[in-house]
Amino acid sequence: GESVGLHLPTLSVQEGDNSIINCAYSNSASDYFIWYKQESGKGPQFIIDIRSNMDKRQGQRVTVLLNKTVKHLSLQIAATQPGDSAVYFCAENMGGGSQGNLIFGKGTKLSVKP
Amino acid sequence: KAGVTQTPRYLIKTRGQQVTLSCSPISGHRSVSWYQQTPGQGLQFLFEYFSETQRNKGNFPGRFSGRQFSNSRSEMNVSTLELGDSALYLCASSSRGPRWETQYFGPGTRLLVL
Repeated sequence: GESVGLHLPTLSVQEGDNSIINCAYSNSASDYFIWYKQESGKGPQFIIDIRSNMDKRQGQRVTVLLNKTVKHLSLQIAATQPGDSAVYFCAENMGGGSQGNLIFGKGTKLSVKP
Repeated sequence: KAGVTQTPRYLIKTRGQQVTLSCSPISGHRSVSWYQQTPGQGLQFLFEYFSETQRNKGNFPGRFSGRQFSNSRSEMNVSTLELGDSALYLCASSSRGPRWETQYFGPGTRLLVL
């Protein structure tokens, strides 16, 4: 499949462990954040989102934490599975609801060891 | 329901040529957005179409253009190709535009410019 990032930071975890993927965003005025998962050969897949009036949001096996003070976003994956191996990247909405206002991070490659 | 489809999946062109990529959104979706993904720049927004009208445009030169047809299918065209245009081009569709969780990506078209 296609390689979406040749020089991405890589996180390697053991199956069953928890994973934490971090993202620093750029604009303190950004009001909406999204995490995407991109598997080899596929397009990005929405995982979870969070608005700036929240600091934590939970989904199925995933939790997103937002720290506006230091402009930091993290994605926690519980009980990581081999199927979680992918590139994960965050996106911030610089303001407004338009698709064009989304700024994407470069991504982190998650590798799950069985 | 069929997902977003993109054709062709792979393409090789030479500098100076032009290329047209096609995207068929999910049935019923009226918003189509195009993105360029490269290892160096990550995922960057090109433009969004909604009901045959360009609703938003990213910061790309005029060589990049697009259009949307009455059946919501979309094409993007790149004229006078440059080596730096080599990338994965992704399109995404959503039901009524900017609802991020409903934006579904296609598998992309991998363009290589020689």
